[in-house]
Amino acid sequence: DAGVTQSPTHLIKTRGQQVTLRCSPKSGHDTVSWYQQALGQGPQFIFQYYEEEERQRGNFPDRFSGHQFPNYSSELNVNALLLGDSALYLCASSLPGQGNYGYTFGSGTRLTVV
Amino acid sequence: AQSVTQLDSQVPVFEEAPVELRCNYSSSVSVYLFWYVQYPNQGLQLLLKYLSGSTLVKGINGFEAEFNKSQTSFHLRKPSVHISDTAEYFCAVSGKAAGNKLTFGGGTRVLVKP
Repeated sequence: DAGVTQSPTHLIKTRGQQVTLRCSPKSGHDTVSWYQQALGQGPQFIFQYYEEEERQRGNFPDRFSGHQFPNYSSELNVNALLLGDSALYLCASSLPGQGNYGYTFGSGTRLTVV
Repeated sequence: AQSVTQLDSQVPVFEEAPVELRCNYSSSVSVYLFWYVQYPNQGLQLLLKYLSGSTLVKGINGFEAEFNKSQTSFHLRKPSVHISDTAEYFCAVSGKAAGNKLTFGGGTRVLVKP
């Protein structure tokens, strides 16, 4: 059984560009959350999607947006990239209504902005 | 608002010695507590979680943690570490009041020496 799958694994972009990261949740999971982990820090919550809608949002600017598809997969889009957006982006999924019981994380996408 | 403080950024320890990683949380309501491990260039793996009930929680790979409500702590312990335990460890808190999102501490890097 595949766990959470993220693509691509690594990405290099130039300041000002736009990027799209993708996530397929674990089979049976319907809720997807995105986290940003800067080097040497703990992950920070970006937003969470459930039933194709953004349900919660962390303290991130509108340049960060997302989408969830009917098959529960999700995309994270970042516009007008800044050097400070360089980080590991983690996707996490959970069972319906059971986010409190823990999330399953993917291996992440390492984004480098130059 | 909920927050997590991991009191040690780095913990060097010799192989087969015990280790304790300290975690304190702040929340005004009931919480759920987690410990995740992150190996180099990988995502997060759940070690253990406290949802309710017994305050001593046993997890994978021989780890255990104790929930102490009066001290708002959730320290992680392992009686005898292996070289393979070298990794970054993150304490996290969630709860219904925060919409089930995870709030992470800054992490503790464990370096097991032979």
